Amino acid sequence: KAGVTQTPRYLIKTRGQQVTLSCSPISGHRSVSWYQQTPGQGLQFLFEYFSETQRNKGNFPGRFSGRQFSNSRSEMNVSTLELGDSALYLCASRNTRDYGTEAFFGQGTRLTVV
Amino acid sequence: SQQGEEDPQALSIQEGENATMNCSYKTSINNLQWYRQNSGRGLVHLILIRSNEREKHSGRLRVTLDTSKKSSSLLITASRAADTASYFCATVSGNTPLVFGKGTRLSVIA
Repeated sequence: KAGVTQTPRYLIKTRGQQVTLSCSPISGHRSVSWYQQTPGQGLQFLFEYFSETQRNKGNFPGRFSGRQFSNSRSEMNVSTLELGDSALYLCASRNTRDYGTEAFFGQGTRLTVV
Repeated sequence: SQQGEEDPQALSIQEGENATMNCSYKTSINNLQWYRQNSGRGLVHLILIRSNEREKHSGRLRVTLDTSKKSSSLLITASRAADTASYFCATVSGNTPLVFGKGTRLSVIA
């Protein structure tokens, strides 16, 4: 079974631009969560989708948005990029709605904003 | 916001020694999970312990949970160079997503 796939692996963007990151979960998994990881703040929850519906949202500004498609693939978008958005963005999938089960993470997308 | 706090922040040991990492958290939990991350890559699930369990083993890993002290520990026995990574605890409370601590960086020197 293929794992969680995130694309692209690396991105360099300029302040003010927007970016879209993609996450393909493990086949059959309908839950996709997104996390931002920075050296200062650690792993911060962005949002989670289950069957195309956003279930939970973290404490991030409206510039961060996401969506999930009928095939469970998810995208997150960051508009008007700021230098502080430079981070490793991780997505994780689950085969249930239950947060208390194992999450399977992708390798992440390293975003650098210059 | 961080729920768990790992201690120590960094740990360096010789191959063959045991490594112990601790995690403290603030609110009541349903379960606590440990993850490993190699050098800025994705996280790998190691072990899950439920709030009504006190100890769990998986291979060279031993996890304990003390809900009265709101703390957990991860013991890696007979460490190998390949165990070099960052280790994170993550808690689940109610119907909220995983909340991660800031991690312990483990270096195992051959």
